[in-house]
Amino acid sequence: DAGVTQSPTHLIKTRGQQVTLRCSPKSGHDTVSWYQQALGQGPQFIFQYYEEEERQRGNFPDRFSGHQFPNYSSELNVNALLLGDSALYLCASSSGPQPQHFGDGTRLSIL
Amino acid sequence: AQSVTQLGSHVSVSEGALVLLRCNYSSSVPPYLFWYVQYPNQGLQLLLKYTSAATLVKGINGFEAEFKKSETSFHLTKPSAHMSDAAEYFCAVRLSGGYNKLIFGAGTRLAVHP
Repeated sequence: DAGVTQSPTHLIKTRGQQVTLRCSPKSGHDTVSWYQQALGQGPQFIFQYYEEEERQRGNFPDRFSGHQFPNYSSELNVNALLLGDSALYLCASSSGPQPQHFGDGTRLSIL
Repeated sequence: AQSVTQLGSHVSVSEGALVLLRCNYSSSVPPYLFWYVQYPNQGLQLLLKYTSAATLVKGINGFEAEFKKSETSFHLTKPSAHMSDAAEYFCAVRLSGGYNKLIFGAGTRLAVHP
């Protein structure tokens, strides 16, 4: 049973570019949450998707957007990249109130 | 507003010694509490969770945590550290009845030396 899978593993972009990160949830999970983990910090909640809609959002600008597909997979899009967007982006999936399962993340570096 | 404070960004113990990682939370309603572990270049793995049942929670790899409402604490312990326990540990809180959004502490890096 595959867990949460994220792609790509690493990504290098330059300031001003746009990026799309992908996540496939654990089998049986219908909710996907995205977190940003800056170096040396705990993960920060970006937003959560359920039934293809954004259900809850953290304190992140509109440059951060997402999507959930009918198969429950999800994308995180970031526009107009800033140096400060360099971080590990974690996807977590869950079903109902059960604990979230995390993927290994995408390491995004902005030059 | 909910928040989580982890006391000590770095903790170092000898192999075989007691591990104690501290977590205090702030929440106006009964929370759900979690401990996650992160190994280098990996995501977060759930160690244990408190969901208002027993106050002493046992998790994987010999870890346990005790919920103390009077102290708003949820400290993580392990009687005897192993070299493989070296990792980053995160305490997290979630409102009961909420949308499963987690709020994490800043993390504690555990080093285990021979």
